[in-house]
Order: sequence, then C-alpha cells, then structure tokens
Amino acid sequence: GAGVSQSPSNKVTEKGKDVELRCDPISGHTALYWYRQRLGQGLEFLIYFQGNSAPDKSGLPSDRFSAERTGESVSTLTIQRTQQEDSAVYLCASSPGTGPETQYFGPGTRLLVL
Amino acid sequence: AQSVTQLDSQVPVFEEAPVELRCNYSSSVSVYLFWYVQYPNQGLQLLLKYLSGSTLVESINGFEAEFNKSQTSFHLRKPSVHISDTAEYFCAVISGGSEKLVFGKGTKLTVNP
Repeated sequence: GAGVSQSPSNKVTEKGKDVELRCDPISGHTALYWYRQRLGQGLEFLIYFQGNSAPDKSGLPSDRFSAERTGESVSTLTIQRTQQEDSAVYLCASSPGTGPETQYFGPGTRLLVL
Repeated sequence: AQSVTQLDSQVPVFEEAPVELRCNYSSSVSVYLFWYVQYPNQGLQLLLKYLSGSTLVESINGFEAEFNKSQTSFHLRKPSVHISDTAEYFCAVISGGSEKLVFGKGTKLTVNP
C-alpha cells in the first residue's frame, strides 16, 4: 500500500478485556515502531522491531502489553486485561531501515477503555 | 535519558504574522532532530529534519528550523503564517545511537483570520 495502515481506527472495550491492534507497514520497510499518545501528552515509545533482530521492548509500560511482528510485515500490539489508563491513540510507524531516518506514521487506533 | 521540552502548549496567532515554536532537548550527544505536524483529523507527518550539515533546515511550505548545539534547541519558525498552518506540531529527537524517537508534548498552533 501507499502508506502505513492501522486497524481498527477506533476501539471501545470494557475494562478487563483483551484488545489486539494491527499495523501494516509500508512495503519494504524493515523497521516498525509502536507509540502511544495519551490525551494532552506527547508520543511515548512502546516497542521497536528491526528485521529479524530481537525487538526493543524497553517502552512497554507493563507485562500486559506485548507485540509481535511476522518477518518484515504485519505487526500486532496486544493489551491484556485492559485498564482505563490504557485509553489512548496507538500509533504505528515504519522506516526503511536502521539509522536516523524519517518514520512514516499510520493514522492510529483510538482506544477507549470503559 | 533524552527528553524534549516544548514550553508552549498552545500558540494563537493572526494570519500573516510571524511565529516561533520552541523546542529544547536534554542531551546533545549525536542528536538528530525532527519536527512532525499533525493537521486536524490527519496522521502525523514529517515537516523537516536535521541529520547533519547545515544547521538551518527548511520545509517546502516555508517553515525553517535551526539546530543550535550550544543552546540544545531546534526552534521552528515561519515569517508569515497561513490559516492552513493550523495544526499541532511535535518536536522529536533521536540520540545516542538509539532508533527511538523521543517526542515533546506538542504545540497547538492556531492561525486566526
């Protein structure tokens, strides 16, 4: 596709339920990032995938958060036992490879935990 | 750890006025600097970036930013804004061999007629 796509665009869930968010990066991009943007805050780094290397999970806020990526394609971010403080916009970005390159962002998934 | 400060959360200006959006970062070790913009109801997109070379970088729509190592700043400026510049602007930094972007909290620029 032409850009990074994310699904769903909006998700409303009840506290305690699990949610799965999907990201399709730009074809050929080896690097993929997940960020979170809570209301009134900047973007917080969550996790980074680069090719077949072990992901950098240093930004995941708790063990309820996990992410997977199959090769250099789709990634899923899973939040287990959601809490109200997980409500945020979750953004995915991809870039061509290593180095300080431009990251291309998807439109985000707006998650609301009731 | 690297941090990015955008002191102004909101900046209202009149059309055709000059504007400066401030950005300061905490560590000057091997930094790469970015400004991203988010127009209403749109995704985040790159406005301009500094990787190396000339410390003054420009965007195609008239914005410019200057990397100032001594002041650890990367302020964004435009001499004359348009209503279409209304958006939220985020300053971001990659530093120290990391691949992660560290973002500021954003500045909402509102251009009034």
